[in-house]
Amino acid sequence: AQTVTQSQPEMSVQEAETVTLSCTYDTSENNYYLFWYKQPPSRQMILVIRQEAYKQQNATENRFSVNFQKAAKSFSLKISDSQLGDTAMYFCAFIANTGNQFYFGTGTSLTVIP
Amino acid sequence: DAGVTQSPTHLIKTRGQHVTLRCSPISGHKSVSWYQQVLGQGPQFIFQYYEKEERGRGNFPDRFSARQFPNYSSELNVNALLLGDSALYLCASSSRLAGGLGDTQYFGPGTRLTVL
Repeated sequence: AQTVTQSQPEMSVQEAETVTLSCTYDTSENNYYLFWYKQPPSRQMILVIRQEAYKQQNATENRFSVNFQKAAKSFSLKISDSQLGDTAMYFCAFIANTGNQFYFGTGTSLTVIP
Repeated sequence: DAGVTQSPTHLIKTRGQHVTLRCSPISGHKSVSWYQQVLGQGPQFIFQYYEKEERGRGNFPDRFSARQFPNYSSELNVNALLLGDSALYLCASSSRLAGGLGDTQYFGPGTRLTVL
């Protein structure tokens, strides 16, 4: 069975600063995909960034980047130059390429302070 | 193009009743998945449908059922509602079977179900 753990229920960051959200996962699969989704208050979940496990290079999307450590089964999200609009719940998610369902962590509530 | 749409937005039911939630995927997407998100938790997988066939089922009782129509829209049905069924129900679509190629799932806004 796959599990995803987010050990930081809440975090805050000053506007324009950098913050890192942690995620660890457990799986016996070798090929899989990892995602970070953002869920703003009362709004729908949107994709932030995606990482293929077979790629060693860490994914980046503008101000968002990941630190993927396959051996450690760690997948952290770094947000640079934090903006007020980054305030949201962030979920880490996993799916094996042989699987049929996403596994989500319990989420990290991020607040960007002006 | 429109994103994933869900109806209704909010729903209030009483214990023992039945509910039907609806989802329309992004045009061209053939896979629809359903998730239950209890307040303060991450989404929990309920079903995945691809090409009108059930391709996965999470750890939910038989009171939960779903189907996918020829136009790839989907319905989630819950019978004999319990207080614990109160949650945000999310629908997500992807172009192919989720998992095989790690296709991104795109989420709808959800249906907020309250069971009294």
